[in-house]
Amino acid sequence: EDKVVQSPLSLVVHEGDTVTLNCSYEVTNFRSLLWYKQEKKAPTFLFMLTSSGIEKKSGRLSSILDKKELFSILNITATQTGDSAVYLCVSVGGEGGSEKLVFGKGTKLTVNP
Amino acid sequence: DAGITQSPRHKVTETGTPVTLRCHQTENHRYMYWYRQDPGHGLRLIHYSYGVKDTDKGEVSDGYSVSRSKTEDFLLTLESATSSQTSVYFCAIGRGYEQYFGPGTRLTVT
Repeated sequence: EDKVVQSPLSLVVHEGDTVTLNCSYEVTNFRSLLWYKQEKKAPTFLFMLTSSGIEKKSGRLSSILDKKELFSILNITATQTGDSAVYLCVSVGGEGGSEKLVFGKGTKLTVNP
Repeated sequence: DAGITQSPRHKVTETGTPVTLRCHQTENHRYMYWYRQDPGHGLRLIHYSYGVKDTDKGEVSDGYSVSRSKTEDFLLTLESATSSQTSVYFCAIGRGYEQYFGPGTRLTVT
């Protein structure tokens, strides 16, 4: 059965800290891995990763994929209170023309001033 | 923001009543999805559509049906709502590798 496991499930840090969020996956016919940020409403797209070892970067956020070890990390440097959210990891796979998404349960990040 | 709206945004209904949630998009995307989000489970796919009248089941499809009679609208129906279907429902559009989510519908079944 396909699964995506995120860790930790919850994390509390102070502004300015650097955090690393983890995502491991076991997915049939893996194609890509996505990261979303969810505050109090709908998830918003952060990154899509398809190739191993290539870091995606957007401001203070960066992410990398390891297809050999089946995991991805999301790094946030110099955290701010506005980074407080649930971060979702999603695998995209599926056979043939079908498409299957599997969501992790998320990591709840709280950044305190 | 992608042009996705959901209606209603909040609904309280009684067990056993039928409920229909609507997702409307203005982006002309072929793919549309319905998810539910519950504490401890994350987002789970209910049904998805890959074109008008083309739909398929997700991992938690029992108790739900969908219809897509035109590109812009994707309807989710609970034929006979149960308390276990109390949840937040999200619609999304786009291909799996980059989806955009609607604002969500909070459904409470009493």
